Amino acid sequence: QSVLTQPPSVSGAPGQRVTISCTGSSSNIGAGYDVHWYQQLPGTAPKLLIYGNSNRPSGVPDRFSGSKSGTSASLAITGLQAEDEADYYCQSYDSSLSASGVFGGGTKLTVL
Amino acid sequence: EVQLVESGGGLVQPGGSLRLSCAASGFTFSSYWMSWVRQAPGKGLEWVANIKQDGSEKYYVDSVKGRFTISRDNAKNSLYLQMNSLRAEDTAVYYCAARHCSSTSCSSPWFDPWGQGTLVTVSS
Repeated sequence: QSVLTQPPSVSGAPGQRVTISCTGSSSNIGAGYDVHWYQQLPGTAPKLLIYGNSNRPSGVPDRFSGSKSGTSASLAITGLQAEDEADYYCQSYDSSLSASGVFGGGTKLTVL
Repeated sequence: EVQLVESGGGLVQPGGSLRLSCAASGFTFSSYWMSWVRQAPGKGLEWVANIKQDGSEKYYVDSVKGRFTISRDNAKNSLYLQMNSLRAEDTAVYYCAARHCSSTSCSSPWFDPWGQGTLVTVSS
């Protein structure tokens, strides 16, 4: 059971906008710790998608955006494409745990 | 091209040992903290261990403390994970990754890039 809660699944049609939430608490996101997002395509390693709440590494399309407010963060994907079908994970830090980083449980995005 | 390539995974009996390796190329390996992150079959991601650039600081998740040892050889651009007293619950794909911090704080680092992973199966 992760301290960062994500919905198990979300779905959307091509071209639509979807959002994936990452809900934490006062010991992680609410304490001001940055949130990062990863995309894991089927059978591959995770890939950094968003770092520092809202920054995109070079090469990541601007269809992907991140935001943070209070004890939650969100990943938004606009203009949904078939190749966006993947698992998405949020990651932050929790001051109550002796871990360098904590991950959300992951969200499976299905493109209808 | 920035690349991390893991090796050393396999099938091992409970109580056994395994040593994972991660070969880095395309970036200045010695300038980065490095990490191991694992993913049990069908499950999410779990941070396992970190090591500082010069190897002087090492941190582990509670579940592997005393059993796993992270190390590195900057001359060989390589990261290692020695795993002893393996348990069934250690079965996972193990990824190595470079750890990054913001310019102002390292309280919430992120991981990039990641290797392709190596599968460790602990079973009799």
